[in-house]
Amino acid sequence: QSALSQPPSASGSLGQSVTISCSGSRNDIGEYNQVSWYQQRPDKAPTLLIFGVTERPSGVPDRFSGSKSGITASLTISGLQSDDEAIYYCSSYAGSDASVIFGGGTTVTVL
Amino acid sequence: QVQLVESGGGVVQPGRSLRLSCAASGFTFSSYVMYWVRQAPGKGLEWVGAIWFDEVTTYYTDSLKGRFTISRDNSRKTTFLQMNGLRAEDTAMYYCATLGLSHSLNHWGPGTPVTVSS
Repeated sequence: QSALSQPPSASGSLGQSVTISCSGSRNDIGEYNQVSWYQQRPDKAPTLLIFGVTERPSGVPDRFSGSKSGITASLTISGLQSDDEAIYYCSSYAGSDASVIFGGGTTVTVL
Repeated sequence: QVQLVESGGGVVQPGRSLRLSCAASGFTFSSYVMYWVRQAPGKGLEWVGAIWFDEVTTYYTDSLKGRFTISRDNSRKTTFLQMNGLRAEDTAMYYCATLGLSHSLNHWGPGTPVTVSS
């Protein structure tokens, strides 16, 4: 399966919002509501932010929200904080065995 | 709390083998599907493979089938990644993770680095 497509970078001012898109196909994002988002800080392992398109694990602030329309999923970070500077990856179940595909990652910069 | 710790990484020559381990604690290991994910330097995440609760059922990304083998020992709360015929392009940080709801990876280890170089 091909990787999901994310913009390489995104930015927003402190307190503002930023939305990151994640484009897939009818065989992954378009077919399954199994989209996840991960945050990765430098030299750290990824951490789960969103699962099942819109759900947040306990402990994840509600400033992070997810959505999906067709073959594109989105992550919105509201009330940007300097601590939100990181790389964000989307992923989707790809429907074949246990396969999971990832996006290439989006580096978020807080201006 | 859930803890995953990978080990076994290092520098290895092309063509050689390496076995990574992922030790789990803080949860009922035998109830969780375990995933391996890798990340080449400066690159994105790549799914390597997964092993089911039964210690037998495994799945791999197509490009690694035949070279990489995942196993687990539920009694030792550990999963393993056997990597054979290593190539320069296998150089990466290797993470283990637990499979959560909606095919999310809800807990990750800190990773263990593998460098394939002569």
